This record gives sequence, C-alpha cells and structure tokens, in this order.
Amino acid sequence: GENVEQHPSTLSVQEGDSAVIKCTYSDSASNYFPWYKQELGKRPQLIIDIRSNVGEKKDQRIAVTLNKTAKHFSLHITETQPEDSAVYFCAATLFTGFQKLVFGTGTRLLVSP
Amino acid sequence: EAQVTQNPRYLITVTGKKLTVTCSQNMNHEYMSWYRQDPGLGLRQIYYSMNVEVTDKGDVPEGYKVSRKEKRNFPLILESPSPNQTSLYFCASSGNTDTQYFGPGTRLTVL
Repeated sequence: GENVEQHPSTLSVQEGDSAVIKCTYSDSASNYFPWYKQELGKRPQLIIDIRSNVGEKKDQRIAVTLNKTAKHFSLHITETQPEDSAVYFCAATLFTGFQKLVFGTGTRLLVSP
Repeated sequence: EAQVTQNPRYLITVTGKKLTVTCSQNMNHEYMSWYRQDPGLGLRQIYYSMNVEVTDKGDVPEGYKVSRKEKRNFPLILESPSPNQTSLYFCASSGNTDTQYFGPGTRLTVL
C-alpha cells in the first residue's frame, strides 16, 4: 500500500520568510495529493491540492509542486505570517471515486513575528 | 450550513466499557471515513464507507466497528475499549469532488 513520508517534523521561520515542506510517496499509481492545515485544537482543512497531470499549482501565497518521477511533492508558503502557524499534513491517494487518503506525519510550522 | 458533526467531543471512559462516537453530515455525501490522530503518527484511517451498507477496513481497524445504515450517519463503535485506543478521532465525508470535510474531532481517553 501507499506510504507517505513528510519532512521536516518542525519548521521555524521569521515572518516574511518562505517555508517549504516536503513529502515523498511510495505508490507510483497515486494521482491525487492534497495538503491540509490543522490549527491548534481545530480540524484539518484542505488548503491546496494537486493531481498527477499537473506539475505545479498556486493559490495566492501557497503553491504545491509535484515530481512524479521522483515521487515527491512539496508545499511552498511565501511571505509567511503568524497566522500560518499550524500543523500541515500532506496526503496521497489513488483517486478511484473515493479517497483512501494516506497522510504524512505532519509538520509543525511556527512563524515568529 | 454544510457540516460534519461528531458527538461527544470529549469522552473519558474505562477499559472494556462499550462506547459509540456518532458522526453525521448534512451534505448528502456518499463517502465517509474515520481517522485517528496520534502524536508523531499523523492521521490514520480506521474504516471508510462508500455508501449505505458499504464499509471497508482502513489501515488500523483492529478494535473498532462501524455501520452505515443511513447515508448521513457513520458511527464508530468500540466494543471493548483499551488504553491504546486513547486518541483524537476525526470523522470525514466527501462527495464527488476530492475534498474531504472533517468533523470537529472527539478526544477519547480510556483509563
């Protein structure tokens, strides 16, 4: 089955810096890669996703890149703000009408003012 | 308001005492799922359901049961809870789009 590894486990940056979180997956058949943000005490919420037929996707300050050959994908946050502080999870799945998502272990991002 | 609800939000119980955590969604989603979240392990899928009366095991199903008698409800049952089931549990649902919507979570402590 699918296995997703996520690095780093913690990431501290200064406000305004960029942050990058990286994930690798094992199943070359996986074709859908979402990223979730979980604020302290809250539920995970989807912030961006990418499909295997696309190499990069952007939404304002966040972007995701996918390298199918190397089986890794990354989350990029530019101009970080304190409200970006949260735990971020990557996930991977073969989307066949239902997501059997396999999550990474999470990255705790701390943005200091 | 479109949402996924879970009850209870917090539960402290003792080993062996059967419990049920309810999950309900009002978005007419076919797909529902249960996850547990543990420090350093991320979110792991327990069970999922693709429609009424259709359920299947996820990655960590041992010690859990589910049922899907109605489209909107997907309860998680612990017949004989043990301390290693102390965790934060999330229910999620999704429709034909890709997005999974998570419930608010249930923090369970088994003594």
